[in-house]
Amino acid sequence: DGGITQSPKYLFRKEGQNVTLSCEQNLNHDAMYWYRQDPGQGLRLIYYSQIVNDFQKGDIAEGYSVSREKKESFPLTVTSAQKNPTAFYLCASSISGDGNYGYTFGSGTRLTVV
Amino acid sequence: DAKTTQPPSMDCAEGRAANLPCNHSTISGNEYVYWYRQIHSQGPQYIIHGLKNNETNEMASLIITEDRKSSTLILPHATLRDTAVYYCIVRVAGSGGYQKVTFGTGTKLQVIP
Repeated sequence: DGGITQSPKYLFRKEGQNVTLSCEQNLNHDAMYWYRQDPGQGLRLIYYSQIVNDFQKGDIAEGYSVSREKKESFPLTVTSAQKNPTAFYLCASSISGDGNYGYTFGSGTRLTVV
Repeated sequence: DAKTTQPPSMDCAEGRAANLPCNHSTISGNEYVYWYRQIHSQGPQYIIHGLKNNETNEMASLIITEDRKSSTLILPHATLRDTAVYYCIVRVAGSGGYQKVTFGTGTKLQVIP
């Protein structure tokens, strides 16, 4: 079955360390997105990518970086510059452009700074 | 993309219909209305979407007002497993271009036994 796989499900990071969250999709979707969710809050957009080798900052990109070397993969790196990285991170994908298609989300990665 | 407004929380008795409203008064003609739900600590799940006609699928019904400025998601017979946060978003249709979408805080639906 097609879908989005996020790994790991839980991740612990020491302060000052960079960590990379994985997101892989086999839906042949063009666009991919990273969202951050804090307790009791909605989803805030970190980065998005329409096509391979192209990505754009979302609303809260500071302290994060991404790459899109393959259509299937959109990893997110949480750098030491992110002052409050503890959160639930969600990856999503969609077919670019056509409003008839919505988002498919992964199951999320919960990052905790220890 | 147009913003949406939803009540922060609602209760519904098990077995009754849950009617979740959403206001999108600045929606454009080519924007679709989408509904998702998020069960605790999981990724949001697609429920239904529509442009201007009412829509129904196996999960829910979507009623969009004639002026398209608001919509209602109806879960006809709510069960305890429908307890979740429900998000209403609007998304531009058309070819090409990135569609930046903001998910607000949604409506937390509590189904009561």
